[in-house]
Amino acid sequence: SQQGEEDPQALSIQEGENATMNCSYKTSINNLQWYRQNSGRGLVHLILIRSNEREKHSGRLRVTLDTSKKSSSLLITASRAADTASYFCATVYLTNKLIFGTGTLLAVQP
Amino acid sequence: DAGITQSPRYKITETGRQVTLMCHQTWSHSYMFWYRQDLGHGLRLIYYSAAADITDKGEVPDGYVVSRSKTENFPLTLESATRSQTSVYFCASRGARQGAEYGYTFGSGTRLTVV
Repeated sequence: SQQGEEDPQALSIQEGENATMNCSYKTSINNLQWYRQNSGRGLVHLILIRSNEREKHSGRLRVTLDTSKKSSSLLITASRAADTASYFCATVYLTNKLIFGTGTLLAVQP
Repeated sequence: DAGITQSPRYKITETGRQVTLMCHQTWSHSYMFWYRQDLGHGLRLIYYSAAADITDKGEVPDGYVVSRSKTENFPLTLESATRSQTSVYFCASRGARQGAEYGYTFGSGTRLTVV
């Protein structure tokens, strides 16, 4: 079964707005990662946050992690049409197996 | 160019046939993975390998076989293809010594249709 679920399943915003996606997971984790997938392409690693971290930034990306609630959020600031893609959270626990959530489809309207 | 390569990119096969999807990486990464992606299910782990000759089951291993005789190759075989195995298959890798910030690297995928 999936480790996590993402919310919302789909999100449509205007260029320049911020996009927030949430991820919930079920078990303990070593780290949580976010990936982007453009239509018909492979996944690209965006950012990783360790279980002992609460917030991390990378460019226009901000990730938060709340291990007590088993949840994470990904914020994309000042979105662009090129950010249109599916976004997945994925967790690692004990082994190197990466277990994915179901994803959020983000559409950024120009 | 270095990277992770999957072949074929597209494959149509008939029910009951054996089909092998190939994955090749040039980084000598220790860990390799096979995922399938289906609408509504996201990505699900089929099999993974920690090193040559070491493989283990993931979430949905039934109907699949893997081998890893060489570090750089991790083929996935469908022994007797079924329509439920119609999916997009992704191979991924990660180095044992990579820093935790690098994440996993994915291939471009193989779109398999079983008719």
